[in-house]
Amino acid sequence: SAVISQKPSRDICQRGTSLTIQCQVDSQVTMMFWYRQQPGQSLTLIATANQGSEATYESGFVIDKFPISRPNLTFSTLTVSNMSPEDSSIYLCSVPPGQGTPGTQYFGPGTRLTVL
Amino acid sequence: AQSVTQLGSHVSVSEGALVLLRCNYSSSVPPYLFWYVQYPNQGLQLLLKYTSAATLVKGINGFEAEFKKSETSFHLTKPSAHMSDAAEYFCAVSEGFQKLVFGTGTRLLVSP
Repeated sequence: SAVISQKPSRDICQRGTSLTIQCQVDSQVTMMFWYRQQPGQSLTLIATANQGSEATYESGFVIDKFPISRPNLTFSTLTVSNMSPEDSSIYLCSVPPGQGTPGTQYFGPGTRLTVL
Repeated sequence: AQSVTQLGSHVSVSEGALVLLRCNYSSSVPPYLFWYVQYPNQGLQLLLKYTSAATLVKGINGFEAEFKKSETSFHLTKPSAHMSDAAEYFCAVSEGFQKLVFGTGTRLLVSP
């Protein structure tokens, strides 16, 4: 399984500011995923990040609010822009295994964001 | 679109008792089904997955799940609960080749 790290592990931010979350994988992967887990709720896919192309956003998520970079096959960033308290969530990145079942994903430890 | 329903946001069992976490899915095509576990302040860990092979799937930590197409279910069980099993459990179905759609989660509480 892939080893995935995220930075920061947690942060407390003021409304109106932006935070960039980093996701690092120990192997090269084509696809990376970003999820949001709001307090007490399940995970919702924000976007799929492919290296060398624009990220694909799910319904309800837009690039201006959640810009994503994917400069190489082991790294991605998610920025939460112009934050409001409603953005307080855990943000997780995930990757599929190099060869495996469609849908199987390995998750990073998450970034716990609190917006005041 | 595919979806997952987890019955019961909280399940409480005594240590040593049977664990049963329920998951029903909706899918227009043969699904890939997953159970993930999230321990407090940690990320998600894959427990087990159904990939259209054996209908009874064994996972880590003594958990298993049975795929029942007629009931569109994929319930998670463990014969004997341990205190360390206390966590949040998520059922998920794959949508498309790699997307995952998660259920709302079930928090398992284990009492001594």
